[in-house]
Amino acid sequence: KQEVTQIPAALSVPEGENLVLNCSFTDSAIYNLQWFRQDPGKGLTSLLLIQSSQREQTSGRLNASLDKSSGRSTLYIAASQPGDSATYLCAAPSTDSWGKFQFGAGTQVVVTP
Amino acid sequence: SAVISQKPSRDICQRGTSLTIQCQVDSQVTMMFWYRQQPGQSLTLIATANQGSEATYESGFVIDKFPISRPNLTFSTLTVSNMSPEDSSIYLCSADRGTNYGYTFGSGTRLTVV
Repeated sequence: KQEVTQIPAALSVPEGENLVLNCSFTDSAIYNLQWFRQDPGKGLTSLLLIQSSQREQTSGRLNASLDKSSGRSTLYIAASQPGDSATYLCAAPSTDSWGKFQFGAGTQVVVTP
Repeated sequence: SAVISQKPSRDICQRGTSLTIQCQVDSQVTMMFWYRQQPGQSLTLIATANQGSEATYESGFVIDKFPISRPNLTFSTLTVSNMSPEDSSIYLCSADRGTNYGYTFGSGTRLTVV
């Protein structure tokens, strides 16, 4: 059964620093991996989707890498801003049930001005 | 990218009553999912809703408590029945737009049961 772990659980940085968020998954037979952002009390916003054939995906200040062989994905946020404060979740496909995703517990990020 | 409209965005309900949450997708999708997120926790899948068939429930969730409808490829509802304070959570719907596009989520329903 796919298990997804995110480290650290919480992170606080001053504005301008780069953020590094880690996601690990136990079953590497995935077809993609997705990163989301969640603001308090709200739904999830998709940030990046990485296909299994890709090693990384970029959108603006965000860059996500994927290493299937080691079961890891990393989300980099460059030059963090207070508006980046949120919880970031990664999700990997459940390998025992088509279409379902397994979510990590998330990394809560606070960017201080 | 697909957009999901979810409503209500929040509600405060009396124990013993029921609440129906609606999700409308702006394009046809095969699979829709309903999640619960309890305070401070990650997402827990309640059920998978495919059009034209009964929803498939995860362990710990039953149809009598969380009946789901999926009348067509763009719409689904989740009802939280006979509510108790333990049902206070954020409820989220999502749609699988395929391997090339990933998941899209609704904006969530924040439910408080008093």
